[in-house]
Amino acid sequence: EVQLVESGGGLVQPGGSLRLSCAASGFIFTNYWMSWVRQAPGKGLEWVANIKQDGSEKNYVDSVKGRFTISRDNAKNSVYLEVNSLRAEDTAVYYCARLVGQMVHDDWGQGTLVTVSS
Amino acid sequence: SYELTQPPSVSVSPGQTASIICSGDKLGDKYAYWYQQKPGQSPVVVIYQDTKRPSRIPERFSGSNSGNTATLTISGTQAMDEADYYCQAWDSDTAVFGGGTKLTVL
Repeated sequence: EVQLVESGGGLVQPGGSLRLSCAASGFIFTNYWMSWVRQAPGKGLEWVANIKQDGSEKNYVDSVKGRFTISRDNAKNSVYLEVNSLRAEDTAVYYCARLVGQMVHDDWGQGTLVTVSS
Repeated sequence: SYELTQPPSVSVSPGQTASIICSGDKLGDKYAYWYQQKPGQSPVVVIYQDTKRPSRIPERFSGSNSGNTATLTISGTQAMDEADYYCQAWDSDTAVFGGGTKLTVL
């Protein structure tokens, strides 16, 4: 069974930083691209970033470029999202998702909540 | 940047057919994906690559994509289908989601 478990969210002040983690199990992690997708309270889904199997390619939505960094540790079956220079509008549940064929987000974690507030 | 537009809400009676549209410039030239999200739950893919349905998704869910519009169709809608539905496409290696449509079954 595919499992994706996010952690690392919390309350942070504007301008602060966090490192979100996603631990994967139940599949061969190195076979898949991985994504982060976020959802602000009461709002829709917004794709944030994705990363290739070996970490050599990364893509970001424009609103987070230069502030967020996606990475992965294949030895630990984990993907990370370093979030810096946080703004109120970054407040959201952050989901990690497995990408099949670099196209389909076929499995999602339960999400971790990031709240940016003073 | 690429945008996908969905109606905020759609209502349907139980047993009837629900259609949720997603509009984007030349969307038919891309693949469309549809995700279902129930309150308090993570999204679930219900349609991928325009028309394909994951094995765990009921046959009443179907999709199409042509021109500037992709459509998610739910035939014989059931109360359990009440949820938010999001379309998604890829543009220049980045994923774009529509704003979501709340499907009400009443």
